[in-house]
Amino acid sequence: NAGVMQNPRHLVRRRGQEARLRCSPMKGHSHVYWYRQLPEEGLKFMVYLQKENIIDESGMPKERFSAEFPKEGPSILRIQQVVRGDSAAYFCASSYRGNHEQYFGPGTRLTVT
Amino acid sequence: AQTVTQSQPEMSVQEAETVTLSCTYDTSENNYYLFWYKQPPSRQMILVIRQEAYKQQNATENRFSVNFQKAAKSFSLKISDSQLGDTAMYFCAFMKADAGGTSYGKLTFGQGTILTVHP
Repeated sequence: NAGVMQNPRHLVRRRGQEARLRCSPMKGHSHVYWYRQLPEEGLKFMVYLQKENIIDESGMPKERFSAEFPKEGPSILRIQQVVRGDSAAYFCASSYRGNHEQYFGPGTRLTVT
Repeated sequence: AQTVTQSQPEMSVQEAETVTLSCTYDTSENNYYLFWYKQPPSRQMILVIRQEAYKQQNATENRFSVNFQKAAKSFSLKISDSQLGDTAMYFCAFMKADAGGTSYGKLTFGQGTILTVHP
């Protein structure tokens, strides 16, 4: 049973470009969560999604950030017009419906130059 | 809002010895879960142990155990017989749950404690 997959593992973008981060949950998991980790800090919750629904986006910046989890395919975290402050590690986690343990992917390290 | 505090930025221990990492949290909720996650240099987040707030018995997973003091809002992690592979950043995390135990999904993390195990 493959774990949570994230790609790319490393992503470099120039200021003003768009970043698209992908997350494929564990097989059988229909709940996906995105977290951001700034250097030397803990993980901060961004958004919680189920298939085709955003359940909680209280941690998402109001502008430039969006997330989706379509019926088919991976969950996507999209950052438009990236700025240097967006440089961070972005982690995706998934859980089974009704289960509260979240399993994390390896993360995507975004660097904005 | 919930907060999680880890007051020890760094800890070190000799191989085969025991170490305890501290965590306190603040919440007005009665139903919740607490977790310890490990992040080794690979940066992969690994679940170490989980505790349900309604359970008085402390959770144990092999060499890892917790001391859960609900009234004091304290949730420390004890690592026995420390191994070199335990070297990592350790994060304490909180998750709110409803009365039926269904989680609300959002994990709130502490700042982390860097643990170094010396040979």
